[in-house]
Amino acid sequence: ETGVTQSPTHLIKTRGQQVTLRCSSQSGHNTVSWYQQALGQGPQFIFQYYREEENGRGNFPPRFSGLQFPNYSSELNVNALELDDSALYLCASSLATYEQYFGPGTRLTVT
Amino acid sequence: AQSVTQLGSHVSVSEGALVLLRCNYSSSVPPYLFWYVQYPNQGLQLLLKYTTGATLVKGINGFEAEFKKSETSFHLTKPSAHMSDAAEYFCAVRISGGSNYKLTFGKGTLLTVNP
Repeated sequence: ETGVTQSPTHLIKTRGQQVTLRCSSQSGHNTVSWYQQALGQGPQFIFQYYREEENGRGNFPPRFSGLQFPNYSSELNVNALELDDSALYLCASSLATYEQYFGPGTRLTVT
Repeated sequence: AQSVTQLGSHVSVSEGALVLLRCNYSSSVPPYLFWYVQYPNQGLQLLLKYTTGATLVKGINGFEAEFKKSETSFHLTKPSAHMSDAAEYFCAVRISGGSNYKLTFGKGTLLTVNP
C-alpha cells in the first residue's frame, strides 16, 4: 500500500509568483486536506476536498485554491506569493471520517 | 469552533523517565482527539486517537493518552522515555459530527530526551 506522497520536496519562489503543489492520496482514500505549517507552529487547515468538491475552508485568502482529480490526487495553488507564505505545506488523505494520514510535506520558501 | 492548548512548548526528560505532554481542548460538540508526532523534516505520524468508548487509548511506540471530559484534557504519557522519542508532538481535535473533517492543532511540544 502506497502512502501519501507530495511533490516537490522543496522549492524557492519569488514574491508575486505563483506555485502549484501536488499530492497523491493513499490508495482507497477519497478525501484530501491541505495544511500550512509555519516555522514553530502547528499546522493550520487550508481546505479539504471530498470526491472532487471543496468540503470546507480555513481562514486563508482566495489566492489559495485547490483541485481534486477523479483519482483523488490533489493540487494546491497559491497566487501572488507573499513572504509569509513561506512554510511547510502538508497534505493529508483519509477515507471520509477516518483518521488523516499525512505526506512528508513541501517546503516552500518565498524570497 | 474548537481549539487546542498544549501546555509547555518544550519538555525535557532523561532517558528512562516518565513522559507527560499536556493537551487541553475546547469544543462545543463531543470531540475526536488525536496525537501526532513529527520528526525533523518529516510529515506527521499518527500516534493514537480517541473517538468513542474507552477513555484510555493506547498508541504506537508505548504511548497512551486518557480522555477526561470533566477536565477537557487529553494528556499524552509514556512510562519510560527513549532517545528515539525526541521529536515534536501535536495534539489535534476534530468535531465528531458534520461533514467537514478538518483537524485543529495545538502549537506543538518539542520533546528532548537526555542520555
